[in-house]
Amino acid sequence: AQSVTQPDIHITVSEGASLELRCNYSYGATPYLFWYVQSPGQGLQLLLKYFSGDTLVQGIKGFEAEFKRSQSSFNLRKPSVHWSDAAEYFCAVNSGNTPLVFGKGTRLSVIA
Amino acid sequence: DAGVTQSPTHLIKTRGQQVTLRCSPISGHKSVSWYQQVLGQGPQFIFQYYEKEERGRGNFPDRFSARQFPNYSSELNVNALLLGDSALYLCASSSWTGGSYEQYFGPGTRLTVT
Repeated sequence: AQSVTQPDIHITVSEGASLELRCNYSYGATPYLFWYVQSPGQGLQLLLKYFSGDTLVQGIKGFEAEFKRSQSSFNLRKPSVHWSDAAEYFCAVNSGNTPLVFGKGTRLSVIA
Repeated sequence: DAGVTQSPTHLIKTRGQQVTLRCSPISGHKSVSWYQQVLGQGPQFIFQYYEKEERGRGNFPDRFSARQFPNYSSELNVNALLLGDSALYLCASSSWTGGSYEQYFGPGTRLTVT
């Protein structure tokens, strides 16, 4: 079965601190992996994606993610969090133009 | 360029009623997908259309239906509304980008069923 697990429901970090959001997937085909961010009451904005090639991918807003096939993981990182990064983050997987399978999300709170 | 647009932004319906949600994809995108996001959860796939044909359907009852028009816009219909249908309904259009398809999401329609 295809699934995405985001083990952390809610994470709180201090502004300026580093961030890592975890994502593990189970997918039968070659996975295409995505991280989306959602601000309250808003749609989803794509942060970054991995299709192939370099396993460390750079995205918008200073985010990066590393694909580790052996661990079935695609963790999102940011070296220094800003207050405006507070939002809900979703990891998702598909295999081309197929429906995205999303995790349940991780809510990020940023404190001063 | 305009992104994916959805209408209406919000609506409130009563149990048993019917609702139609609308989506306009990014110009040039021929694939549209619909997702349901209930509070506190990730989006769940409902339908995918490509070139006006249904290409996939998620695990939703027959009360849910959709269609895509010649201009690639799409409608999602839900009949006999239940309280559990209250959710944010997201539309996404797809394009071939850098070796695969990338889905661009609209702002969603917030449906409240009372």
